Amino acid sequence: AQSVAQPEDQVNVAEGNPLTVKCTYSVSGNPYLFWYVQYPNRGLQFLLKYITGDNLVKGSYGFEAEFNKSQTSFHLKKPSALVSDSALYFCAVRDRDSFSFTGGFKTIFGAGTRLFVKA
Amino acid sequence: ETGVTQTPRHLVMGMTNKKSLKCEQHLGHNAMYWYKQSAKKPLELMFVYSLEERVENNSVPSRFSPECPNSSHLFLHLHTLQPEDSALYLCASSQAGTSVDEQFFGPGTRLTVL
Repeated sequence: AQSVAQPEDQVNVAEGNPLTVKCTYSVSGNPYLFWYVQYPNRGLQFLLKYITGDNLVKGSYGFEAEFNKSQTSFHLKKPSALVSDSALYFCAVRDRDSFSFTGGFKTIFGAGTRLFVKA
Repeated sequence: ETGVTQTPRHLVMGMTNKKSLKCEQHLGHNAMYWYKQSAKKPLELMFVYSLEERVENNSVPSRFSPECPNSSHLFLHLHTLQPEDSALYLCASSQAGTSVDEQFFGPGTRLTVL
């Protein structure tokens, strides 16, 4: 069974400081991993994804994420936080090896981590 | 904008009412999804449609009834809801059949059941 854990309900960071939002996952096979962001009164927006290859994935708005297979983690990072980065962040996983056209749509989302960036 | 629109954006209804949520995607995708988002809970996948056929139904109560008349439109018909059904309902679409299909979400409908 697939699962995603975001251990922090909230992360507080000062503007200009680096930020990390944590995510760990569990799948029976190899994972596809995603990060989404949700701003107030908006739907989720895709940030980045890991499929295969380089463990460091770069995405939108200067965000990046590092895939660590041994620790089953996919933490989201940004070198210098902006106040405008304040939002709700969701990690998601899908089991690559269970993909099928009709059944392989079950992307499991975490509960979300609220990021506050203080000026 | 993500190319996925939802109407209405806000809905207040009584437990005996019947209402419908509408989702439209302008991305040419072939799969559409309904999710329920409640505070401090993981996103709950409700229904998945692929090529207008329902391929996933995650034990959703029958008071929620989806309809997908074509690949661009998705409805969620609501009747005799309960107060615990109050939540943000999100629609998403993707191009299924590719190796990895990230989903594109609409802005959601904030539903309040009195």
